[in-house]
Amino acid sequence: DQQVKQNSPSLSVQEGRISILNCDYTNSMFDYFLWYKKYPAEGPTFLISISSIKDKNEDGRFTVFLNKSAKHLSLHIVPSQPGDSAVYFCAATDTNAGKSTFGDGTTLTVKP
Amino acid sequence: DTGVSQNPRHKITKRGQNVTFRCDPISEHNRLYWYRQTLGQGPEFLTYFQNEAQLEKSRLLSDRFSAERPKGSFSTLEIQRTEQGDSAMYLCASRSPGETQYFGPGTRLLVL
Repeated sequence: DQQVKQNSPSLSVQEGRISILNCDYTNSMFDYFLWYKKYPAEGPTFLISISSIKDKNEDGRFTVFLNKSAKHLSLHIVPSQPGDSAVYFCAATDTNAGKSTFGDGTTLTVKP
Repeated sequence: DTGVSQNPRHKITKRGQNVTFRCDPISEHNRLYWYRQTLGQGPEFLTYFQNEAQLEKSRLLSDRFSAERPKGSFSTLEIQRTEQGDSAMYLCASRSPGETQYFGPGTRLLVL
C-alpha cells in the first residue's frame, strides 16, 4: 500500500515554461509535506515545504499547493530552467511520528 | 557545521560480509533517521532515533540490520551477512522537532 504516489515518472518542459509536478497521498494523518530535489549520486536536497494548515507556500520560482480535501499537492516551477533538471520527490510527514514517507519521484527534464 | 555527513560514500563488498556505515548529523538536531533508496524508488524509512533512543524500526529492518546512536550524536548502521538485495543507497537525515529534515549525501552499497 503506497501512501504517497507520484504518478508521472517523468516530465519534460521547455526552458522558461511552467513545470507542474503532482503528488497524491492517502493517509489523513499526514500534516506536513515537503518536496526534495535529487541529483544522481547525491542525497535529496530540501526544496520547499507546506503545513496542512496552509494551501499555498511560495519561495522564489517554486510554489507548492496543497488540496487537503483531495489529498493532493503540486509543485510549480516558474520559469523552468535547465538547472532544474533532476528527480523531484514528494514526502509526507505525520509530525507526531516524525518519519517521512516518500513518493517514487518524478524526473524533470528542462530543455534549453 | 556543514550539514549531515555520511561515511563511506561508496562501499563494495562480497555477499556474506558485514558492513558498517556512519552518519554525523547536524549538531543541534536531536532526531536522526535512516532511509534506504533503490533505483526508481523514493527513500524508504528504516529507523529513527531521538537522542540516543531508537524510537521506531521499519519492517524493512531485518534482524541482520542494527543501528545505534550511543551518545545521541553520530549513528552507525550495520548490516551483517550482506545479501545482493541489500545493494542500495543508504541515506541518513536529521532534524530538530518541528523543523525540516535534512539529508546527507548517502552511502551507496554494492553487494557482489
